[in-house]
Amino acid sequence: AQTVTQSQPEMSVQEAETVTLSCTYDTSESNYYLFWYKQPPSRQMILVIRQEAYKQQNATENRFSVNFQKAAKSFSLKISDSQLGDTAMYFCAFISTTSGTYKYIFGTGTRLKVLA
Amino acid sequence: DTGVSQNPRHKITKRGQNVTFRCDPISEHNRLYWYRQTLGQGPEFLTYFQNEAQLEKSRLLSDRFSAERPKGSFSTLEIQRTEQGDSAMYLCASGQGALNTEAFFGQGTRLTVV
Repeated sequence: AQTVTQSQPEMSVQEAETVTLSCTYDTSESNYYLFWYKQPPSRQMILVIRQEAYKQQNATENRFSVNFQKAAKSFSLKISDSQLGDTAMYFCAFISTTSGTYKYIFGTGTRLKVLA
Repeated sequence: DTGVSQNPRHKITKRGQNVTFRCDPISEHNRLYWYRQTLGQGPEFLTYFQNEAQLEKSRLLSDRFSAERPKGSFSTLEIQRTEQGDSAMYLCASGQGALNTEAFFGQGTRLTVV
């Protein structure tokens, strides 16, 4: 069974600084997808960034980038130039490509607070 | 707003009562998911529909839970004989196509069983 672990329940960062959120996962599969989703207070979850396991190049979306280490099964999210609007719960998630359902397996989340 | 819509947003019910939640996915999305999220936890998968067919159910979905998606459009999640342990946020998500892995989430229905 696949598992996703986020070991940082809470983090804070000063506005305009950089912060890295950690995520590790466990799977025996070789092909899968990894995601970071953001859940702002009282708002729906939205996709931040996605990484295909077969791609060696780390995904980047504007101020958000990942460090994907497939051998170590590590998938961290780096937020550069943090903004107050980045305050949210961040969930790391995994999808198996073999199941056909694309159901997500989520970690327990990291609550990020950006300080003014 | 063409996002995923869930109703009601909040529901307080007495233990033992039945409740039903509704999810309207993004139009033409063929995949629909229900997740449950408790405090301090990430969302946990409950069930998956592809069009009107319920293709997967989690072991978390006891026999008190039932979900439907008639005609492959909106979906309902019913909980019978609610228990305090059912108190949680119930999230619905939808997605489209075989190659698009992104899921779009609704704001959820927060259930409180008293």
